[in-house]
Amino acid sequence: GIQVEQSPPDLILQEGANSTLRCNFSDSVNNLQWFHQNPWGQLINLFYIPSGTKQNGRLSATTVATERYSLLYISSSQTTDSGVYFCAVKGAATGRRALTFGSGTRLQVQP
Amino acid sequence: NAGVTQTPKFQVLKTGQSMTLQCAQDMNHEYMSWYRQDPGMGLRLIHYSVGAGITDQGEVPNGYNVSRSTTEDFPLRLLSAAPSQTSVYFCASSYSPVAGGKETQYFGPGTRLLVL
Repeated sequence: GIQVEQSPPDLILQEGANSTLRCNFSDSVNNLQWFHQNPWGQLINLFYIPSGTKQNGRLSATTVATERYSLLYISSSQTTDSGVYFCAVKGAATGRRALTFGSGTRLQVQP
Repeated sequence: NAGVTQTPKFQVLKTGQSMTLQCAQDMNHEYMSWYRQDPGMGLRLIHYSVGAGITDQGEVPNGYNVSRSTTEDFPLRLLSAAPSQTSVYFCASSYSPVAGGKETQYFGPGTRLLVL
């Protein structure tokens, strides 16, 4: 099946810093989403972005489908940004019609 | 809309017991899925459904059964609980691309299961 790799696995930032999280995938995708899991375990959808660029406040994401990667940018980080960020994809060529998740990037924003 | 709801929030079982984790959504989504999340890991797909009456296996289906008799409900059954099934279970739903809806996936709050 499709493989999803996220980097870095762990990231510690000072409040106000910027960061870039990366998601590489092994095959063509027709669905890519970024999620944030907060410290209480809740999973929140950030972006549905199988291609192109989107922005939502301090967060933005870019997917270059032809090169099989996606980037999540966090600017002016805040302590509430802490948690785990997951990338999830659905392979265009596979019959499985459900998302495959990467192992996540654990972000800690320190005051 | 309540979104995706899961019950119970927390459950303790003894090895060999059976139970059903409930999941419901009120968004008329065709797609529903069950994932498990083990400490320090991502989410692994157990089973999924693309519509009422249709289910399929994910990456880790052994020891679990599902059924989808209605669009709203997608229960997950543990037939004979084992300590290896200790995990946090998440249910999720989305529109299907065939229906023309955006496939943004929404998650329930999770069920924390401990098998002794």
